Amino acid sequence: DSGVTQTPKHLITATGQRVTLRCSPRSGDLSVYWYQQSLDQGLQFLIQYYNGEERAKGNILERFSAQQFPDLHSELNLSSLELGDSALYFCASSARRGVSNTGELFFGEGSRLTVL
Amino acid sequence: LAKTTQPISMDSYEGQEVNITCSHNNIATNDYITWYQQFPSQGPRFIIQGYKTKVTNEVASLFIPADRKSSTLSLPRVSLSDTAVYYCLVGDGSGAGSYQLTFGKGTKLSVIP
Repeated sequence: DSGVTQTPKHLITATGQRVTLRCSPRSGDLSVYWYQQSLDQGLQFLIQYYNGEERAKGNILERFSAQQFPDLHSELNLSSLELGDSALYFCASSARRGVSNTGELFFGEGSRLTVL
Repeated sequence: LAKTTQPISMDSYEGQEVNITCSHNNIATNDYITWYQQFPSQGPRFIIQGYKTKVTNEVASLFIPADRKSSTLSLPRVSLSDTAVYYCLVGDGSGAGSYQLTFGKGTKLSVIP
């Protein structure tokens, strides 16, 4: 158990809909990262938050948005869903702003999104 | 943005030592090299991290040459349970306090009985 909690574990929805994925980081971790993993794209970095502020943005679509709340949990909002958005969405946390020299990211078990 | 290149797949027999090499030609001075392991439908799990020379822990060793443009993850005496995807990660220290952690495609290791 990494200590990172993601909900829901599974989600099935239709094209055009909007969903929200939730992540609770490990206790005390200030950084939250979101990743998307689909079969043909590997693990893609989406966005990072540190203590409520956006720190880095990766390959995140304009239809997607995220935020980190004062209690440090984070939400990833996916709107106008398309079939290609079907993927595993992982949240990870770390203690510091970046992990280049701090050790490790702790990943949750992911939220599997299926868009029909 | 530092990028990494790894073999797409590798096969190994049980009990053998496996070495997976990662190239990262654009590694920055402040970047560390980190390796993760991922099983199907699970989040990646940290294996080992290093900056230079050699690092060893209870599960793996990491070899980094002086120029740091590559690194090699060494798994001693693999078992079937080591079948997984292994990712090499290089922290993109921009100097502005903002880090992007780029996972490459990873190396799919298949351990054969």
